[in-house]
Amino acid sequence: QQQVKQSPQSLIVQKGGISIINCAYENTAFDYFPWYQQFPGKGPALLIAIRPDVSEKKEGRFTISFNKSAKQFSLHIMDSQPGDSATYFCAASSPNTGNQFYFGTGTSLTVIP
Amino acid sequence: GAVVSQHPSWVICKSGTSVKIECRSLDFQATTMFWYRQFPKQSLMLMATSNEGSKATYEQGVEKDKFLINHASLTLSTLTVTSAHPEDSSFYICSASDRVAETQYFGPGTRLLVL
Repeated sequence: QQQVKQSPQSLIVQKGGISIINCAYENTAFDYFPWYQQFPGKGPALLIAIRPDVSEKKEGRFTISFNKSAKQFSLHIMDSQPGDSATYFCAASSPNTGNQFYFGTGTSLTVIP
Repeated sequence: GAVVSQHPSWVICKSGTSVKIECRSLDFQATTMFWYRQFPKQSLMLMATSNEGSKATYEQGVEKDKFLINHASLTLSTLTVTSAHPEDSSFYICSASDRVAETQYFGPGTRLLVL
């Protein structure tokens, strides 16, 4: 059973546009929601993370929006650049499960010039 | 930021041999380390979780006798793929977490090719 559902599977955005990736979860015990960026042949790198006590967190061009009642969270990449082309993974964790990360299936983002 | 290294980054071996992959946290003490396997264009699949000084906890379906994990210190964990076979060829990634920050910091990964 997929604990975290991620969409879309792939996304193509024009340079300067906004990229939006969505994730949904079922386990209400989850209390930590990170986003990772992964380039081909590399390990995932932490991009930004949020806890359920805030509805939005912004770091530079990256923003997480969190909707606790809907059990959904999303990543917004403003002013998308070709260098943002990568695979993005959302994840969720809970102290109840030893902070094990449950990853989404990933979104392949392509930003075209 | 927290840095995790992996060695080697690339390894090619013959079928039947064993391969050891090292994962090090360079600037923090990792109380917990995780080992993942990733197939092309797929998400990360957790193989096992190891806490320093304790036996690793393996996920269902992961053979503990084939994938030996050792977490002997707060900065080093090793994954040994014993008697490797071509189906073990994959991208192996470790991550590390300290007690204070619940996030996981990932290593750069190790590409294993078994001939």
